[in-house]
Amino acid sequence: AQSVSQHNHHVILSEAASLELGCNYSYGGTVNLFWYVQYPGQHLQLLLKYFSGDPLVKGIKGFEAEFIKSKFSFNLRKPSVQWSDTAEYFCAVNARGGGSYIPTFGRGTSLIVHP
Amino acid sequence: DVKVTQSSRYLVKRTGEKVFLECVQDMDHENMFWYRQDPGLGLRLIYFSYDVKMKEKGDIPEGYSVSREKKERFSLILESASTNQTSMYLCASSPDRGREKLFFGSGTQLSVL
Repeated sequence: AQSVSQHNHHVILSEAASLELGCNYSYGGTVNLFWYVQYPGQHLQLLLKYFSGDPLVKGIKGFEAEFIKSKFSFNLRKPSVQWSDTAEYFCAVNARGGGSYIPTFGRGTSLIVHP
Repeated sequence: DVKVTQSSRYLVKRTGEKVFLECVQDMDHENMFWYRQDPGLGLRLIYFSYDVKMKEKGDIPEGYSVSREKKERFSLILESASTNQTSMYLCASSPDRGREKLFFGSGTQLSVL
């Protein structure tokens, strides 16, 4: 079965600092990769996704992520965070398990940005 | 915009009660999912369905069952609620099985006393 590891559980930054959140997955086949964000009191929404092509993908609100196949990683980055980026971030993998694609999530990273 | 609607935002039940959590999506998606979200544990898949009357177990199906009689509706059932089922329950749908994102509902915070 596939699994997803997010290395940072809690991150605290000041505004304008750079952000990198780690995500590794365990699955040897073709994967589709996602980062979701959950702002306080809101439902989960998609930040960005990768399924093929350029391994550097850009998402909403200045976020980007790089897929490194050899490292089974899909790290999320943002050069300069804002207070409004305070949220919980989830990495997710959608990979084929048996006959089905099963979306699997990491444990999440809570990001707090101080103004 | 796709809308995934969960019938209750907050629910308080007693131990041993039968609990129904309802989820409806309005975009004709074939795929629907139930997750529970707990602090520090992320989202864990309970059950999913790729078609009407079809269901498959996720990672933590024990103590739960599901029903999908119509394409737009996916219900999660707690046959006999227990305190360790106190959690945030999230329903999601998607139009395909691999590359498309999940559309999430707002969640139901269930407290079992």
